[in-house]
Amino acid sequence: ETGVTQSPTHLIKTRGQQVTLRCSSQSGHNTVSWYQQALGQGPQFIFQYYREEENGRGNFPPRFSGLQFPNYSSELNVNALELDDSALYLCASRKDSGRHEQFFGPGTRLTVL
Amino acid sequence: DQQVKQNSPSLSVQEGRISILNCDYTNSMFDYFLWYKKYPAEGPTFLISISSIKDKNEDGRFTVFLNKSAKHLSLHIVPSQPGDSAVYFCAASARSGGSNYKLTFGKGTLLTVNP
Repeated sequence: ETGVTQSPTHLIKTRGQQVTLRCSSQSGHNTVSWYQQALGQGPQFIFQYYREEENGRGNFPPRFSGLQFPNYSSELNVNALELDDSALYLCASRKDSGRHEQFFGPGTRLTVL
Repeated sequence: DQQVKQNSPSLSVQEGRISILNCDYTNSMFDYFLWYKKYPAEGPTFLISISSIKDKNEDGRFTVFLNKSAKHLSLHIVPSQPGDSAVYFCAASARSGGSNYKLTFGKGTLLTVNP
């Protein structure tokens, strides 16, 4: 069984740029969530996708957007990058939206200069 | 407003002894609790969970206890092994509008198990 994979591993961008992060869900999982983990903090929920639609969002501005594709892979897009967007971005998948346990990928480390 | 709190940033124990990691929560709507372990440069790994209708769940060396009246849960690791050294995150889950079962995390506790 293939776990959750994310790309790229690391990324450096400058303020004002746009970035796209990618995630492949664990096999058989149809629900994906994205989290932001700042240094010294726990992961914070950004949003969740189920059957290609966003069905939940945390306290993040609209410049954070996402997509889920028919094969359950997913993207996180961040526009107009700010210095505070520097963080580890984690993707998590689960079997269906009715399950609590989520399984995380290794994350993408984003640095905004 | 931190809804899930892990008040100990770090914990150090001897190999073979018990490790107890604590977590407090404030939101009464939380109905499921999870523990994750995180090594550097890896994503969090699911360890064990407990539903709010139970007060204890065991899985091998790991036991989670839930005290709903105190809004407190703890993770016991017995016996502790050096490979258990990692950051442990407590997370809570609640149905919240459209974001069914989003996880709210604490800040984590760094566990060091000394040989």
